[in-house]
This record gives sequence, C-alpha cells and structure tokens, in this order.
Amino acid sequence: DVKVTQSSRYLVKRTGEKVFLECVQDMDHENMFWYRQDPGLGLRLIYFSYDVKMKEKGDIPEGYSVSREKKERFSLILESASTNQTSMYLCASRGQGTGNTIYFGEGSWLTVV
Amino acid sequence: GEDVEQSLFLSVREGDSSVINCTYTDSSSTYLYWYKQEPGAGLQLLTYIFSNMDMKQDQRLTVLLNKKDKHLSLRIADTQTGDSAIYFCAEWHSGGYNKLIFGAGTRLAVHP
Repeated sequence: DVKVTQSSRYLVKRTGEKVFLECVQDMDHENMFWYRQDPGLGLRLIYFSYDVKMKEKGDIPEGYSVSREKKERFSLILESASTNQTSMYLCASRGQGTGNTIYFGEGSWLTVV
Repeated sequence: GEDVEQSLFLSVREGDSSVINCTYTDSSSTYLYWYKQEPGAGLQLLTYIFSNMDMKQDQRLTVLLNKKDKHLSLRIADTQTGDSAIYFCAEWHSGGYNKLIFGAGTRLAVHP
C-alpha cells in the first residue's frame, strides 16, 4: 500500500521559532510537493521538487524553504514562524508512469502563537 | 488562465446516487483527479482519468469526462453516510511548471 507520511500531525510553535515539517514517501517517486490548505483559499502550492537536491518555488513560497537531500524525504522549513503561517500543510508525491498518481499525506496542523 | 470550479455543496439521501460536477480551463491537461477529504484528514486519491478517455468506472465510482466542454463529473452509486466528505477535483497542469490545480471542493452531505 502506497504511503506518504508526515511525521507531525499537530504542532504548536511560537512566533519566530524555526519549524521543520517532514514528509517521507515509500514509493520511489521523483516528484514531491508541499501545499497549504486554508478555509476560503483552498490548496495552494508552496514548493515542489523534481528530484533529489532540486527545488522549485510554487505559488506562495515566501517565508518558506525546502530541503530534498534524499529521494524519499522532502522537508518544509519555516525559518521564522509567523501567525499567518497557521495552517494545514499537506505533502504529496507523484510517480511517473501509469496514471501519474499523486498521493497525499495525512496533513500537519500547525498553529503559531 | 487556470481555474477549476465546483459547486460548493451537495445533499443526497442515503442509497441514492451522487453526482459532483467540475469544470476546468486548461485544454492541455493530461490527467484529472478526484480526491476525498474527511474532517481533519489529508486528501485520499479516489480515482483519476487520462484526458483521452471519456469514462472510467471503479466499483461505485464513475468518472465522466467531456473534453469539448472541459467538464468532469464523479458519480457515486448507492451513496452511504461514510461518503460524507469534501470532494476535490484537480487537474494536472503541465504548462510553465507542473502542478495540481484544485477546485474549491464540494461538501457532500448524506442524510437518511
């Protein structure tokens, strides 16, 4: 069974803290993505990665960075968390080949106080 | 431009069929997806269809694609209370940079 695992389901962090959100996939997928989901704004793409050590900005990259040191792991980093980064963060991975199926993790709820 | 539109709410009686509609704008889309999201959870991939197909059936789910009108629908047969969730339509956009573009989601409420 395919799996995208987000290590933290619920986090509460203080303004200014550095936050790491980890995502691991076990499908040997090349492409990985980070989205955030907010009421009324839907899902918005933050960053994505085509392969190890590669990263591309999505629609709302400001305030975020990413790391892809290994194929299976894609980390989202909030260098200095702010209250407007309180959100649900969703990681996804995409395989090549039949269907180009795209699977999501269970989400990480981040509250910045 | 890139846009995916869905109606926001659908209410059906248990046992009836549900039809959730979606329109998209990118004629070059290659894959179209349906995801289900239950409260507090991530997105569960339900099914997808390649753009050269008209229809795909998977157990209780039927996807219809009208490429001329850029219209996609998801039919759920014999809808159950466990089907209550938000359903997202998404298109794979391969112009510029590759990404999934989502609709706002349709909240399906199933009542007895």
